[in-house]
Amino acid sequence: GAGVSQSPRYKVAKRGQDVALRCDPISGHVSLFWYQQALGQGPEFLTYFQNEAQLDKSGLPSDRFFAERPEGSVSTLKIQRTQQEDSAVYLCASGSDRVDTIYFGEGSWLTVV
Amino acid sequence: AQKVTQAQTEISVVEKEDVTLDCVYETRDTTYYLFWYKQPPSGELVFLIRRNSFDEQNEISGRYSWNFQKSTSSFNFTITASQVVDSAVYFCALSEAYTDKLIFGTGTRLQVFP
Repeated sequence: GAGVSQSPRYKVAKRGQDVALRCDPISGHVSLFWYQQALGQGPEFLTYFQNEAQLDKSGLPSDRFFAERPEGSVSTLKIQRTQQEDSAVYLCASGSDRVDTIYFGEGSWLTVV
Repeated sequence: AQKVTQAQTEISVVEKEDVTLDCVYETRDTTYYLFWYKQPPSGELVFLIRRNSFDEQNEISGRYSWNFQKSTSSFNFTITASQVVDSAVYFCALSEAYTDKLIFGTGTRLQVFP
């Protein structure tokens, strides 16, 4: 596709359930970012990949959060044993170069009940 | 520490009014980048502008203009003759050199009424 594609767009999970959020970056983009955006807040950095290498995971809030990009293309953000505070929009972005040329997807809206 | 402050939570204007969205940042680095993004209801962040810390020249793009002042650590965004389609949440963001992460403000929700 032309843009960054994320799925599912909406996910309702019961507390304690595991979830997986997928990001399809723009074809050929080397950089991939995950951000978490709570309601009424700005996005907060979670992690960054360059190809398949996870270069920065300093923003992952706990060891329940795990991200991978095994072939340097599609990425999955996994949240284990979801909690209510995990409710947020998870935004994926990809870029061909540095941060100034990144493009965001529409996000995956996660609600934990 | 890096920080971006957008003190205006919500602004409402009537179409054709001019509106300025404020952004104040904090950083210890001398090399950094400032951004503005627009987030419509669909959720994706739309890139509007990027400025580096060495270029204080103001920029104009159509109805949009940006005022970067290092002396006050501000990077304000003005929309001239606002339109209903400008209604969205606008985020200011900071990125320091040699990092690849953006630090966002909390956003300003702009509502333009016809």
